[in-house]
Amino acid sequence: DAGVTQSPTHLIKTRGQQVTLRCSPKSGHDTVSWYQQALGQGPQFIFQYYEEEERQRGNFPDRFSGHQFPNYSSELNVNALLLGDSALYLCASSLDGQGSNQPQHFGDGTRLSIL
Amino acid sequence: AQSVTQLDSHVSVSEGTPVLLRCNYSSSYSPSLFWYVQHPNKGLQLLLKYTSAATLVKGINGFEAEFKKSETSFHLTNPSAHMSDAAEYFCVVRVHGGSQGNLIFGKGTKLSVKP
Repeated sequence: DAGVTQSPTHLIKTRGQQVTLRCSPKSGHDTVSWYQQALGQGPQFIFQYYEEEERQRGNFPDRFSGHQFPNYSSELNVNALLLGDSALYLCASSLDGQGSNQPQHFGDGTRLSIL
Repeated sequence: AQSVTQLDSHVSVSEGTPVLLRCNYSSSYSPSLFWYVQHPNKGLQLLLKYTSAATLVKGINGFEAEFKKSETSFHLTNPSAHMSDAAEYFCVVRVHGGSQGNLIFGKGTKLSVKP
C-alpha cells in the first residue's frame, strides 16, 4: 500500500523564480493538505484541497497556490520566490468523512532551497 | 485560539532509561491532540492521538501519553529509550471546527539517546 509520495525530494531555485511541487496521496485518500516547515520549526499549515477545491487556508500570501486533480493528487505552486521560502514542504493526506479525529499521513517532503 | 507549547527544545537520555517529553495545550474546546515523530530528512509519523475516548493513550514503539485536563497537559512518555527513538517529536492540536487539515504544531523537542 503506497503511502504519500512527493516529488522532487530536493530543489534549488533563485529569488523571483516560480516552483511547482507535487504530491500523490495515500491510496484511498481524497484530501490533501500542504505544510511549510522552516529549519528548526514545526510545520505550518498552508492550505487543504478536497474535491479539487481549496477548502481551508492558513496564513500564507497569494503567491502560494495549489491544485488538486481528479485522481486526488495535488500540486503546490509558489511564485516570486523569496529567500524566506526556503523550507521543507510537506504534503499530508486523509480520507474525508471518516471523522474529524482521523490523523493525516505525511510524505517525506520536498526540500526547497532559494539562492 | 488553540495552541501547543513544548516545554523542552532538547531532551537527552541514556539508552534503556525513561523518556518524558512535555506538552501543554491551550483550547477553549475539548481538543484533539496528537504526537508525531520526525526522523532526519523524513516526513512525520503519527505516534498516537487523543480523541476523548480515554485519557491514557498508547501509541507505537512503546510510547504513551496522558491527557490531563486540569493541567492542560499531554506529555509523552516511554519507559525505556532505544537508540532508534532519537528524532524530533511534535505535539499537535487540531483547530476546533476546522477540517482535518488545520493542525497546529508545537516547535518540537529533539530527543537524543546516548549509548
